[in-house]
Amino acid sequence: SSELTQDPAVSVALGQTVRITCQGDSVRSYYASWYQQKSGQAPVLVIYGKNDRPSGIPDRFSGSSSGNTASLTITGAQAEDEADYYCNSRDNSGNHWVFGGGTKLTVL
Amino acid sequence: QLQLQESGPGLVKPSETLSLTCTVSGGSISSSSYYWGWIRQPPGKGLEWIGSIHYSGSTYFNPSLKSRVTISVDTSKNQFSLKLSSVTTADTAIYYCARTRENMVATITYFDYWGQGTLVTVSS
Repeated sequence: SSELTQDPAVSVALGQTVRITCQGDSVRSYYASWYQQKSGQAPVLVIYGKNDRPSGIPDRFSGSSSGNTASLTITGAQAEDEADYYCNSRDNSGNHWVFGGGTKLTVL
Repeated sequence: QLQLQESGPGLVKPSETLSLTCTVSGGSISSSSYYWGWIRQPPGKGLEWIGSIHYSGSTYFNPSLKSRVTISVDTSKNQFSLKLSSVTTADTAIYYCARTRENMVATITYFDYWGQGTLVTVSS
């Protein structure tokens, strides 16, 4: 098994750019996916693969990866982006999935 | 549009077995392209993957829960189910079912459709 580590909390000024990171050995082998979860709601997929967005996800959301770190970038953060964000990938064994601990994003 | 809906008791007594079912509509559960998974979230905490199943019956479980988890699929009803035995208060959580999609070599994997979640409370 392996772990994915995220910063517990990040803040960004309205309209500015923020990067949320996810560190773990498995990210070297498997692309991370990213989920947005607003209070009281189910998670929603926002980024998967190299840098793909499901239909309906604004293009201000983007993903990247380098070494053991995957990143979710929001360019021009909006008030509605305030939420918890989780990364996920398979673990090093390839037989399990693992979530990061989540990052609470505050838009100031 | 694919939809997933969890169902089952909202209250389970300690030491008993938690049982939930996820009904899939708007698409077939019998596709080689997908896994079907369970994820939970204790109140105020993060997401935890519980386990996943392929319609063929192949299963994968979180090592920390493996000894207590059973996941099965009923293709005739387009449903898959979770059983978690010997529950304690630590198993109190919102339980989500979700579809997992991945590429042929499984380097790209993601949960693209989620149910709304169901709160299960473990209490006497």
